[in-house]
Amino acid sequence: DSGVTQTPKHLITATGQRVTLRCSPRSGDLSVYWYQQSLDQGLQFLIHYYNGEERAKGNILERFSAQQFPDLHSELNLSSLELGDSALYFCASSAGRSSGNTIYFGEGSWLTVV
Amino acid sequence: QKEVEQDPGPLSVPEGAIVSLNCTYSNSAFQYFMWYRQYSRKGPELLMYTYSSGNKEDGRFTAQVDKSSKYISLFIRDSQPSDSATYLCAMGDQTGANNLFFGTGTRLTVIP
Repeated sequence: DSGVTQTPKHLITATGQRVTLRCSPRSGDLSVYWYQQSLDQGLQFLIHYYNGEERAKGNILERFSAQQFPDLHSELNLSSLELGDSALYFCASSAGRSSGNTIYFGEGSWLTVV
Repeated sequence: QKEVEQDPGPLSVPEGAIVSLNCTYSNSAFQYFMWYRQYSRKGPELLMYTYSSGNKEDGRFTAQVDKSSKYISLFIRDSQPSDSATYLCAMGDQTGANNLFFGTGTRLTVIP
């Protein structure tokens, strides 16, 4: 158990809908990262928050947004969902603000768009 | 060219074999190198963490980094069926990038 908690574990929704994925980082970790993993693309970095502030953006679509709250949990909002958004979405956390710190992954949220 | 290249496999070996997994990369600024193990539909689990060049050993696992060749390896000795998983290499720099660059993963099956 990495200590990173993600909910929900599984989610099935229709195209055009909006969903919110939630992540609680390991106790004491200030950084939260979001990744998308699909079969053909591998693990893709989406966005990084450190202590409530956005630090870096990766391949995150405009239809997606994220935030980190004062209690350090984070939410990833996915809107106007398309079939191609079906993937595993992972949250990871680390103690510091850079990738030099080891990051630990949650178990993921499996999103299926139908 | 991708930042990180990793042979996707799949790789099948008999139990007890030595397994060699490799990644190459193009960014000479990478300083941190990691190997993650991912079981099917589970989160990646950190196996090995190495800073800069050299070797690191942990039980049956050995990580090697050759920065001059931009090449990293993970060796698994006395492989077990429980080692069957996808292995992802990951790396990052300390000059401001806040994300890790991942390989696409190599799927390993250890046959009893």
